[in-house]
Formats: sequence, structure tokens, C-alpha cells
Amino acid sequence: EVQLVESGGGLVQPGGSLRLSCAASGFTFNTCEMNWVRQAPGKGLEWVSYIWSSGSNKQYADSVKGRFTISRDNARNSLYLEMNSLRAEDTAVYYCAGSLSGYDPRGPWGQGTLVTVSS
Amino acid sequence: DVVMTQSPLSLSVTLGQPASFSCRSSQSLVHSDGDTFLTWFQQRPGQSPRRLIYKVSNRDSGVPDRFSGSGSGTDFTLEISSVEAEDVGLYYCMQGTRWPYTFGQGTKLEIK
Repeated sequence: EVQLVESGGGLVQPGGSLRLSCAASGFTFNTCEMNWVRQAPGKGLEWVSYIWSSGSNKQYADSVKGRFTISRDNARNSLYLEMNSLRAEDTAVYYCAGSLSGYDPRGPWGQGTLVTVSS
Repeated sequence: DVVMTQSPLSLSVTLGQPASFSCRSSQSLVHSDGDTFLTWFQQRPGQSPRRLIYKVSNRDSGVPDRFSGSGSGTDFTLEISSVEAEDVGLYYCMQGTRWPYTFGQGTKLEIK
């Protein structure tokens, strides 16, 4: 069964840092492009970041560029999102997802992890 | 950035009747490689999103054939041929042709 399981969310103060993890199973992770997508409470979907299967290409939304870093460890079948200088507007459920564009036919989503930035 | 505009924002449909969702992009979504990276996602109440359709018209594994996607250039449509109760939720289109990826604001499907 294809599965993505996120972890690492929680409550953090403005200006703080958090590292999200996503554990993949049931598919060949090291050949799959991956993404982070977030959803603020009661709002729509916002793409956050992308990483190619080898890690050689990374992309970020302007809203997180310079503050967030995406990475992956193919040996551990894991995806990460390092989040620094967190702001109240970063409060959201963060989802780990496979291919969003359909460049790759594998497009699973995780269950999400909630990040709350508040003092 | 490419702006994705969905309409209507809300749709109320009788069970067994068809439903149609529109998505328009501010720029052509034809990639330099010839593909068009327009994706549709479904988000049922209280659940994670799920990819339904990719590259305009390709159904994901496990997606019922009552769902179909069509369109080209800047104009795209998701259709449900016969709405079932489990189809209630939000539907988002997204373009993956140009960075940054951008989503539409979503269309909420309800049962009349």
C-alpha cells in the first residue's frame, strides 16, 4: 500500500523553527518527485516546495523562499521541510505529496501535520 | 505567476445528475515539451486532498470513470457524469507547467 506519513508539526513561537518529516512506503521513493503543500485553516491549497527525485532540482513559493528548505534522504525513504523564521501566516496543515503536475503518474498525499505559529 | 480561476465557487447538484467544473488559466499551460500540466484534486470533508486527473484528462488509479477531464490552452473542465453522495467536497485545479505551481480557489460541490 502506498503511504506517506508526515510528522513534526506543533506549536511554535513567531521567529522559531520546525522540521517536518514525511516517511514514504509502498512505492519506489527514490524515483518520485515530491512536494509540500499547505492549507491554512478554512482556506484553499497553497503549493510550498518541490524536489526532484535525485534532489538536484528544488523550487519554492515566494512566500517561503529563503526561510524554508526542502530535502530528501532516498536511503531512508524520507522527505523533509526545514522551516525557519516562522510567521503567523505560516500556520497551516502541511501535506507531503508525490507528483502534483502529473509528470510522474504517482501522486499520493499524506494525512497532513498541523503547524501553529503563535505566541 | 499563472493565475488559476475556477467557476462556479459553489455547485449544488441532484444525485444522479451531471456536474461540471470550470478552470481557466491566465497563460497557456502548454509546456515546451508539448504536454499540458493541468491537474484536478478532490478534497472530501475532513480528508486530505487526492489527485483525480493529471495532464488534463488522465484519470488516476482508482478514480471512477464517471470523472473526466478535458480542455486545452487556458480553458479546462472537470465533469462528473452522474453525481454520487461520496463526491461531495472541494475540487481544485492546479497548473504544473510553470513555476511556481498555482492552485485555483476551489469549487464546493454539494448535494441538492
